[in-house]
Amino acid sequence: GQSLEQPSEVTAVEGAIVQINCTYQTSGFYGLSWYQQHDGGAPTFLSYNALDGLEETGRFSSFLSRSDSYGYLLLQELQMKDSASYFCAVRDNTGGFKTIFGAGTRLFVKA
Amino acid sequence: ETGVTQTPRHLVMGMTNKKSLKCEQHLGHNAMYWYKQSAKKPLELMFVYSLEERVENNSVPSRFSPECPNSSHLFLHLHTLQPEDSALYLCASSQAAYPPKQGSYNEQFFGPGTRLTVL
Repeated sequence: GQSLEQPSEVTAVEGAIVQINCTYQTSGFYGLSWYQQHDGGAPTFLSYNALDGLEETGRFSSFLSRSDSYGYLLLQELQMKDSASYFCAVRDNTGGFKTIFGAGTRLFVKA
Repeated sequence: ETGVTQTPRHLVMGMTNKKSLKCEQHLGHNAMYWYKQSAKKPLELMFVYSLEERVENNSVPSRFSPECPNSSHLFLHLHTLQPEDSALYLCASSQAAYPPKQGSYNEQFFGPGTRLTVL
């Protein structure tokens, strides 16, 4: 079957760096993406990795290791507005294309 | 303004009612999606339409019936729902057709969602 695991909650202080991990199990891996969702809001796309390595977009970076079935989202220079839920999602091509989302990591940024 | 609108924003319905959710995208995108987000559960992809054809149907009960009359509009028709169907229903769209080419990604733009309560 297919599954994703990510921590349920992470707490960090303003200005710090935080890493949110995501491990997955799938036989037809096609790519790993990350979304941010604030309370009461819609998800917004952050990044996508199809190949191994680090993708950087401003304060956010995403990393993928396909051999380890592992990825992470790195948030630098944390701001209070970064308090939100972060979802990893795997696109899988087993028996047809599927997109599977993790349960989400709730990030709390403290002053 | 995300470019993807959904109506209604809130809906309360009984189990015997029939209702429809509407999604409209103003971005000129070619693929549209329906998602279900329940409390404390992962986001679930329900249906995908690409170039107005259904290309993904993730084992969704038949009481949910999608319709895509053109590339800008997507409907989700609801009938004889159950209380466990209460959730946030999100619509999204993406530029390129689905599925994407290997190594590329269709960034999905989400609407604000419809909060559905089934009594």
